[in-house]
Amino acid sequence: AQSVAQPEDQVNVAEGNPLTVKCTYSVSGNPYLFWYVQYPNRGLQFLLKYITGDNLVKGSYGFEAEFNKSQTSFHLKKPSALVSDSALYFCAVRDRGNSSASKIIFGSGTRLSIRP
Amino acid sequence: SAVISQKPSRDICQRGTSLTIQCQVDSQVTMMFWYRQQPGQSLTLIATANQGSEATYESGFVIDKFPISRPNLTFSTLTVSNMSPEDSSIYLCSVATGLETQYFGPGTRLLVL
Repeated sequence: AQSVAQPEDQVNVAEGNPLTVKCTYSVSGNPYLFWYVQYPNRGLQFLLKYITGDNLVKGSYGFEAEFNKSQTSFHLKKPSALVSDSALYFCAVRDRGNSSASKIIFGSGTRLSIRP
Repeated sequence: SAVISQKPSRDICQRGTSLTIQCQVDSQVTMMFWYRQQPGQSLTLIATANQGSEATYESGFVIDKFPISRPNLTFSTLTVSNMSPEDSSIYLCSVATGLETQYFGPGTRLLVL
């Protein structure tokens, strides 16, 4: 069975500092991994994904994430946080071994708050 | 990517009534999904809407309560039937482009009084 964990309900960072939002996953095979962001009163926006290849993937708004197979992690990072990055972030996983029928499983979400 | 629109964006309804939410995509997609999200919470998959066949419902969700239509490859509707305050939530439409990424609509915010 697939699962994804976001151990932090909230992350607080000062503007200009680096940020990390943690995510660990569990799948029976090799994963597709995703990060989504949700701004207040908006739907989910796709940020980035890991499919294969380079373990460091770059996405929208300066975000990046590193796939670590041995630690089964896919932490989201940004070198310098902006106040506008404040939002709810979701990590998601999908088992690539089951074709298009397999579902994406979402983590519980981490609220990122960037203080000026 | 795909551009997804939902109608209505929000509604306030009386208990016992039903609301139909529409989802329109700007391109043909094979798989469409309906999710429910409690405010500030994660997403729960309600069902997968398949064109030309009945929707596939997740555990805890039934067709009588959440009937779904998928008349073509760009459109789907979700009806929330016989609503109660517990149905107050955000309902999100999502589409899969290929085997990988899902994209989401802006959501429908429902309040049941």
